[in-house]
Amino acid sequence: DAGITQSPRHKVTETGTPVTLRCHQTENHRYMYWYRQDPGHGLRLIHYSYGVKDTDKGEVSDGYSVSRSKTEDFLLTLESATSSQTSVYFCAISEEGTGTYEQYFGPGTRLTVT
Amino acid sequence: RKEVEQDPGPFNVPEGATVAFNCTYSNSASQSFFWYRQDCRKEPKLLMSVYSSGNEDGRFTAQLNRASQYISLLIRDSKLSDSATYLCVVRTDSWGKLQFGAGTQVVVTP
Repeated sequence: DAGITQSPRHKVTETGTPVTLRCHQTENHRYMYWYRQDPGHGLRLIHYSYGVKDTDKGEVSDGYSVSRSKTEDFLLTLESATSSQTSVYFCAISEEGTGTYEQYFGPGTRLTVT
Repeated sequence: RKEVEQDPGPFNVPEGATVAFNCTYSNSASQSFFWYRQDCRKEPKLLMSVYSSGNEDGRFTAQLNRASQYISLLIRDSKLSDSATYLCVVRTDSWGKLQFGAGTQVVVTP
C-alpha cells in the first residue's frame, strides 16, 4: 500500500470555523490531489499540486485553499466552513515516470459541519 | 452532462457467476482509463488500468472502445469479496487530473 496518511480521520466542526486537513506521504511523489466525495457524485477534484509551492485549482475549489511547503505534506484549508462542505475528503498521490498517472488514495477524512 | 457516466446498479450476482458493466465518457481526447474499487466507507483502490487492446488481470477483464467512448469491466467466477462499488476513471489532461464516475455497485450473493 502507498504510504499516505490523512489527519484527522473524523472531525465535527461548526459553521464559520476554519478547518485544516492534512495529507502526508512517504513516497516522495511529486503530484498530490485533494478530492471530495458526496453521494450521487463521483470524486471531485478540489485542488492539486505538482510540486512544492506549485498548486492549482480543480473543479470545486471555491471555499478551499491549499498549501504545500514540503514534498510530503499537502494541506487543505476551509477558511470558514459551511454545511455544504460536509463530505468525505480524500487525498491522492501520483507516481512519476509511469506515464499513466495512476493515483493512490489515503484513507479519507469524514468532515461534518453543523 | 457528466464527463463519466455509470449505471449505479446494484448488480446482484450469484456467487460464481459472471457480471459485466460499462461506463461512457464524453471527452474524446481522454488519454488514460482505469477501474477503481471502493468498499463501503473506504478509499478507492486501483483495480486495473485499461489499455487500448483490452487487458485481463485474473478474473477481471477490461475493454476500451474509443470509437464509442466506453469502457467495460467483466468479472468472472464472482466471489463474495467482489462486492463493492466499481469506479470508472478517465484522465483527460497531462497534469494527471482524473474524472470519476459515480460508481456501479456490485453485490455478490451466496
